[in-house]
Amino acid sequence: GAGVSQSPRYKVAKRGQDVALRCDPISGHVSLFWYQQALGQGPEFLTYFQNEAQLDKSGLPSDRFFAERPEGSVSTLKIQRTQQEDSAVYLCASSLETVLSGNTIYFGEGSWLTVV
Amino acid sequence: AQRVTQPEKLLSVFKGAPVELKCNYSYSGSPELFWYVQYSRQRLQLLLRHISRESIKGFTADLNKGETSFHLKKPFAQEEDSAMYYCALNTNAGKSTFGDGTTLTVKP
Repeated sequence: GAGVSQSPRYKVAKRGQDVALRCDPISGHVSLFWYQQALGQGPEFLTYFQNEAQLDKSGLPSDRFFAERPEGSVSTLKIQRTQQEDSAVYLCASSLETVLSGNTIYFGEGSWLTVV
Repeated sequence: AQRVTQPEKLLSVFKGAPVELKCNYSYSGSPELFWYVQYSRQRLQLLLRHISRESIKGFTADLNKGETSFHLKKPFAQEEDSAMYYCALNTNAGKSTFGDGTTLTVKP
């Protein structure tokens, strides 16, 4: 595909359940970002990968959140023991080069997570 | 710590009227500022960045370091400009801090 692809688009999880959200960045893109967007708010940074290296995970809200990008392409955001406050849209974004290049970041459509 | 404030949640103007979406930021370093737009049922996309000093779809934004502002302006709004607009600040570390967005409605 031509853009950043995320799956599932919609997920309803029971409180305490583990979830995994997948991101397929644009082919060849070096940088990959995850953001969390709560209702009525702007996206908030979670974590950043440069190829397979997770260079910044300062935005992950708790140790229940874990992200990986083992081969430098597809990334998975895992949330363990989900809580209601985890309900949000999770956005993935990628860019061609490293963040220091200042190049354009492309966003996926997001994964809408609702914890009940 | 960096912060981006968009004081208006909602903004409504008539077609052909000028529009200004406000953005203020706080950051101790040299800021790199962006405007993103999200049209209905579409993904978030870059509209413009201050470094490029470009005009996209008739929109411009000027960085005012004295007032720490990066307001988005368009002299004549069109109905297709109706969307959610986010102002964002990049640090050297690459992560973006977003404002909470302004929903612009352009009425016919």
